[in-house]
Amino acid sequence: GAGVSQTPSNKVTEKGKYVELRCDPISGHTALYWYRQSLGQGPEFLIYFQGTGAADDSGLPNDRFFAVRPEGSVSTLKIQRTERGDSAVYLCASSLLGATSTDTQYFGPGTRLTVL
Amino acid sequence: RKEVEQDPGPFNVPEGATVAFNCTYSNSASQSFFWYRQDCRKEPKLLMSVYSSGNEDGRFTAQLNRASQYISLLIRDSKLSDSATYLCVVNTGYSSASKIIFGSGTRLSIRP
Repeated sequence: GAGVSQTPSNKVTEKGKYVELRCDPISGHTALYWYRQSLGQGPEFLIYFQGTGAADDSGLPNDRFFAVRPEGSVSTLKIQRTERGDSAVYLCASSLLGATSTDTQYFGPGTRLTVL
Repeated sequence: RKEVEQDPGPFNVPEGATVAFNCTYSNSASQSFFWYRQDCRKEPKLLMSVYSSGNEDGRFTAQLNRASQYISLLIRDSKLSDSATYLCVVNTGYSSASKIIFGSGTRLSIRP
């Protein structure tokens, strides 16, 4: 079946602009996660949705970052007033049940964001 | 001190060799543990979960040492296709995603 998909695969923007990154999880997966990965680092947690609600957004670095999942499927990560330090690969993952101790996360290919 | 620490490597070993690397974690209340594999410019993929009793999947063996707070991954008879970055993942909570912590990864390179 189809895996997690993310669009766009690459996004280049200028400092100060607004960007939206989209994630399509595996059909039927209730949990969706956003991570950010910088070169040479592991994924860093940003936000987790259980259904339509953000169950844990403690990883969002500041109020320029916001994410939604209005129908409990597709999610959009929104970044306002982008800064050069926002440049990274943004990974989305989904899992069947949620952030329990054994649920497997399936990752999308990521969106590589470059802020000039 | 980082919550989850890994030797970044790279580990450069010949094909057919056995290689092992560890991952240490700081929270003694950590609940579950995983190894993910990440190829260059690709997404992470689950390699295996790590159980208290240790577990094996083909050429891969994972072990957990709660007393010393580390997990290990052993790869036997290494193949060229094993070249990747191996990410250690620790879940320190029961149901909070923010407690799922990824290590920075260990780079493994298998040479012919």
